[in-house]
Amino acid sequence: DIQMTQSPSSLSASVGDRVTITCQANQDISTYLNWYQQKPGKAPRLLIHDAFNVEVGVPSRFSGSGSGTHFTFTISSLQPEDIATYYCQQYDSLPRFTFGPGTKVEIK
Amino acid sequence: QVHLQESGPGLVKPSETLSLICTVSGDSVSNKNYYWSWIRQPPGKGLEWLGYIFHTGDSNYNPSLKRRVAMSLDTSKNQFSLKLTSMTAADTAVYYCARDRVRGVLRVFDIWGQGTVVSVSS
Repeated sequence: DIQMTQSPSSLSASVGDRVTITCQANQDISTYLNWYQQKPGKAPRLLIHDAFNVEVGVPSRFSGSGSGTHFTFTISSLQPEDIATYYCQQYDSLPRFTFGPGTKVEIK
Repeated sequence: QVHLQESGPGLVKPSETLSLICTVSGDSVSNKNYYWSWIRQPPGKGLEWLGYIFHTGDSNYNPSLKRRVAMSLDTSKNQFSLKLTSMTAADTAVYYCARDRVRGVLRVFDIWGQGTVVSVSS
């Protein structure tokens, strides 16, 4: 089975800061990697699909990159409304879907 | 605008079967461009994909659930459903239904329901 790790598990940053989250797979998943934002008490929201494609309607400060086993999610300028937990999610050829453990983002 | 809404019991007794329904509006469960999935989240924990069903009736489930899970479609009501047998406290979670968008080999959960809380207790 493909396992996903995320780092850090949590972070605290100031408004306007650049925030970077990494996601690593234990085997090559090409660009079959999506990113979601989940605010407290809410359902997840799709932000990035296929590693680097920003979903329609998502602010341009969100971006993704990477391929193979190492992926990066970036918020270029952190806003107060970005307080949330961010999850990466991979899918394989079967397909099976696996989420990373999440990264909680807080304002300093 | 596409909207998904979960419904079902908020409380289930141990060993019983959970039955949840997801009602879709603004799209059709017969749309060949989408699969329809269930995902859950235990309190304070991460997300776990449970499985999906396609308009043909084809389904695919998380192996970790073994033979406990079954999904079905009701095209007349534009709904899809989840059944999870032999419920235990470990199945206590928020259960989400989600639309699984397909573009070639590319897949993504692009629309989610608001989630429904299911607790397992006697």
